[in-house]
Amino acid sequence: GAGVSQSPSNKVTEKGKDVELRCDPISGHTALYWYRQSLGQGLEFLIYFQGNSAPDKSGLPSDRFSAERTGGSVSTLTIQRTQQEDSAVYLCASSLRQATTEAFFGQGTRLTVV
Amino acid sequence: QKEVEQDPGPLSVPEGAIVSLNCTYSNSAFQYFMWYRQYSRKGPELLMYTYSSGNKEDGRFTAQVDKSSKYISLFIRDSQPSDSATYLCAARYNQGGKLIFGQGTELSVKP
Repeated sequence: GAGVSQSPSNKVTEKGKDVELRCDPISGHTALYWYRQSLGQGLEFLIYFQGNSAPDKSGLPSDRFSAERTGGSVSTLTIQRTQQEDSAVYLCASSLRQATTEAFFGQGTRLTVV
Repeated sequence: QKEVEQDPGPLSVPEGAIVSLNCTYSNSAFQYFMWYRQYSRKGPELLMYTYSSGNKEDGRFTAQVDKSSKYISLFIRDSQPSDSATYLCAARYNQGGKLIFGQGTELSVKP
């Protein structure tokens, strides 16, 4: 596809379960970002990948959160032992290179922890 | 204190009004400033960006950055109902990396 693709679009999970969220960036984009958006809130930075460099994980809220990017393309955000406060929309974005200003966002995954 | 602060609104204006959206930031090292628009249940999309201080105009939209006061503004002229959305300001360092977003302002333009 032409844009950033995220799956699933919606996910309902029980408290304590693990979840995996997937992001397919735009082909050729070397930078990939994960953000979290809670109801009525702005975008909270989680993690940033740039090429083969070590990712910037400074925004991950706890060690229950992790992310990987395989082959410089698809990324998976994993949340272990989910809590109700993890309920939010998880947004992925990609950009052509580190210095560019335009990051293209996906539609997000709406996660609900019950 | 958040690095980028934005009044969440909501802001309601009549069609045709001039809208002023504002943000402040605390880190003087920020060099790039962006405005994103987000429709309900959609991902944000880039509206405009500026580098350092100055103005940038694109149609009905004007972005302003005043680095001396650490103030970012977006003006919308002749606002339309289709402009109803959440507007997010963001900032970034010169060398790239993560975008830091404000909380977003929800705008409603009434016909």
